[in-house]
Parts: sequence; structure tokens; C-alpha cells
Amino acid sequence: QVTLKESGPGMLQPSKTLSLTCSFSGFSLSTSGMVVSWIRQPSGKSLEWLAAIDWDGDKYYNPSLKSRLTVSKDTSNTQVFLKITSVDIADTATYYCARSWELWYFDFWGPGTMVTVSS
Amino acid sequence: DIQMTQTPSSMPASLGERVTISCRASQGISNYLNWYQQKPDGTIKPLIYYTSNLQSGVPSRFSGSGSGTDYSLTISSLEPEDFAMYYCQQYDSSPTWTFGGGTKLELK
Repeated sequence: QVTLKESGPGMLQPSKTLSLTCSFSGFSLSTSGMVVSWIRQPSGKSLEWLAAIDWDGDKYYNPSLKSRLTVSKDTSNTQVFLKITSVDIADTATYYCARSWELWYFDFWGPGTMVTVSS
Repeated sequence: DIQMTQTPSSMPASLGERVTISCRASQGISNYLNWYQQKPDGTIKPLIYYTSNLQSGVPSRFSGSGSGTDYSLTISSLEPEDFAMYYCQQYDSSPTWTFGGGTKLELK
């Protein structure tokens, strides 16, 4: 059974660095073609793909946010991380991690973690 | 970036009704188009991949079609659990995978 779950700070101040963790089970990120992505959704708005890391350690970033994003994974291939530097109010959103396998099709999603940027 | 425009943004409909949601890309995306359903609690469920392939476990009343820049999701007969938000997503343009603005399917 594939599951993913996001965790984060809940709230942080502007200009800080946001650190998010995606913990997953039921699949191995070392399997060829496997990818874990980060996607966010401000309240009442649509979804925005942010970044991804694949089975081979290759990383993909949304060009519009690339300078602020860093995606990584742990050596046991059970967690993926996302850091966003210099956050501001516009980064307030629910952050999801999602799996895809051989297609850029997100076939399993976590429940999301809400992040509020506020002073 | 490829822009995805969904229409309508909201759609009142009745149980048993057949509905179609449209998604238009700003350029051709070679059928690299997926659909997702989002419930009010935020849960996101995949429905259709590569234009017309039904995700395992998704009821057959859901179907997808399209080509070039124009794609659609059809629900043949609405059930109570189908009232939700729907999003299309293109994956033709690497590495920016973009979503449509969403369509809210509401009970009339």
C-alpha cells in the first residue's frame, strides 16, 4: 500500500527558510522511473508544481522558483525533502508531495501540510 | 510556459446528469494530459492519465478525450461523490508541469 505524508513547521516568519519532509512507504524511490514531486496550493487557488527528485537522484525545478528551491532525499530512499528560502506571504499554501512512475502522472498524493507565512 | 485553461470554472449539475469539463492548452501537448479530483478536505485523487486512460479503481462513468490543444473530462451520470474540484495537468513541457485553474462541480 503506497502512502505519502508531508510534514512541516505549520507557521514561519517572512524571510526564513521553509523545510518540508515527505515520508513515504509502499514503494522504493530507488526503483527505476520512480519520482517524488512537491506541489503546492494556496487557499482557493489552483495547484503549482514546484520540484521533483527521481530514482537516479536527478532533480527538477519549476524555473520560476528554481533559485529558492532545493529538493533532496535521504540515503534510505524513504524520505524526500524540500527547502524554500526567503519565504514571504505568497508562499502560504498547502504543500503536497506526490509520486509518479515512468510518467509525469501523480498517481499517489499525500494529504498535504498547511504552511502559513506570517510575521 | 504552457498555460492550461479550464472551462467552466464552476458548473452546477444534477444527479444523473452527463457533464463535460474542458481543458485547453496554450500550445499542442501531444496528449500528455492528466485529470485529478480534489475533495473539500483537500484529498487529491488521480482519475485519468495520457488523455484517456482510466486510473485503476476509478469508475467507468469517467472518461477523457482530446488531442492537440483541446481536451475534456466527461462524467456520464453524476453520483453524489462526484461533486468536487477537477484539475487538468499537462506534462509535455519539461520541466514545468502545469495545472489548469480548476472546475468546481456543484450540486444544482
